[in-house]
Amino acid sequence: EPEVTQTPSHQVTQMGQEVILRCVPISNHLYFYWYRQILGQKVEFLVSFYNNEISEKSEIFDDQFSVERPDGSNFTLKIRSTKLEDSAMYFCASSDRGSSGNTIYFGEGSWLTVV
Amino acid sequence: GENVEQHPSTLSVQEGDSAVIKCTYSDSASNYFPWYKQELGKGPQLIIDIRSNVGEKKDQRIAVTLNKTAKHFSLHITETQPEDSAVYFCAVLSYSSASKIIFGSGTRLSIRP
Repeated sequence: EPEVTQTPSHQVTQMGQEVILRCVPISNHLYFYWYRQILGQKVEFLVSFYNNEISEKSEIFDDQFSVERPDGSNFTLKIRSTKLEDSAMYFCASSDRGSSGNTIYFGEGSWLTVV
Repeated sequence: GENVEQHPSTLSVQEGDSAVIKCTYSDSASNYFPWYKQELGKGPQLIIDIRSNVGEKKDQRIAVTLNKTAKHFSLHITETQPEDSAVYFCAVLSYSSASKIIFGSGTRLSIRP
């Protein structure tokens, strides 16, 4: 079964450093998402991306965050200057509104620890 | 914006018994309601979903019911097994904000042997 893959699975970074989280969405999907989950809390929407531009973003997704689809397969989340409160699990997701409707599939996550 | 409430936050049931998790939502334009299961250290995995044009959907031991008038939907797991232990999240996709799903706060389900 096709799946969303994410790298790295775990990253530790110093406060103030830049971090790039990478995702390979399911190949025929057109919509891409980033969500985050602080330990023990619910999954929160960050940003959605379609047709090479941001469709929607939450208030969490401030100027420190950016997303990019640098080629035909990768989808990245960059945090420019990490803060302690950015420590969380970051999930990439993708969907294909065509064949499977609105079903959104999630990757296994990238655990970011800011120290 | 959409607000999703989920109850209970924790649920413990005897193996073989049924478990029910309930969610309410605020946006009457919402039209897609998935349920995700999250095991420790893993990403949310879709287990069942329902669209606004049906009231109930079943897949083996798992069923979801939707009451659009009351704006609530429920997950039912019958004949629970130890491997059902996980955190379950309801979610809602709003027609008025069709590019994102909003998650409930999660229910930690524990199955007692």
